[in-house]
Amino acid sequence: DTAVSQTPKYLVTQMGNDKSIKCEQNLGHDTMYWYKQDSKKFLKIMFSYNNKELIINETVPNRFSPKSPDKAHLNLHINSLELGDSAVYFCASSRQGSGNTIYFGEGSWLTVV
Amino acid sequence: EDQVTQSPEALRLQEGESSSLNCSYTVSGLRGLFWYRQDPGKGPEFLFTLYSAGEEKEKERLKATLTKKESFLHITAPKPEDSATYLCAVHTGNQFYFGTGTSLTVIP
Repeated sequence: DTAVSQTPKYLVTQMGNDKSIKCEQNLGHDTMYWYKQDSKKFLKIMFSYNNKELIINETVPNRFSPKSPDKAHLNLHINSLELGDSAVYFCASSRQGSGNTIYFGEGSWLTVV
Repeated sequence: EDQVTQSPEALRLQEGESSSLNCSYTVSGLRGLFWYRQDPGKGPEFLFTLYSAGEEKEKERLKATLTKKESFLHITAPKPEDSATYLCAVHTGNQFYFGTGTSLTVIP
């Protein structure tokens, strides 16, 4: 069983479109994250949710909106896509509390054309 | 400002040639230092967690060590299947900060 799964894996879309990436974890974790990885492999946190509540919201355009229907799911919706949004987006999860390991999904490759 | 720096950016080794990757950090309140391996087209895969200076962890050909300012990932007698990007991350209690990784290529 995949611990952190996200769909779709690949997404090619035109500028101006709205798209969503879904994420689910079956590890029983309380905290979920969205990370963005740029072309230089740098991973930067975008959002963090704990028990469906937003706890970290880094400087991200408000076109990006996370939604957590329950603590096992954290979806990412992106409005009015721009060329610069092209990147790999990783969902991740961990147990609540500092120092706990974060487990990542396989990534969603978003290409905006 | 909290910062994580990895070196070298890229490393090419002959099979069997041991070496070390470095992760230097300046953070306030380290709660854990993590090493991940990332293969092309995959998500980061957890390798080790280190919590305090002097701590060491081993797994097959990999050994991670931690001091108050840096961590090393030692690779002993690497094989081609060890080729990947190795990411270091530090947890401060508020956030995870990732380094930019070291891309390791092991040549048969």
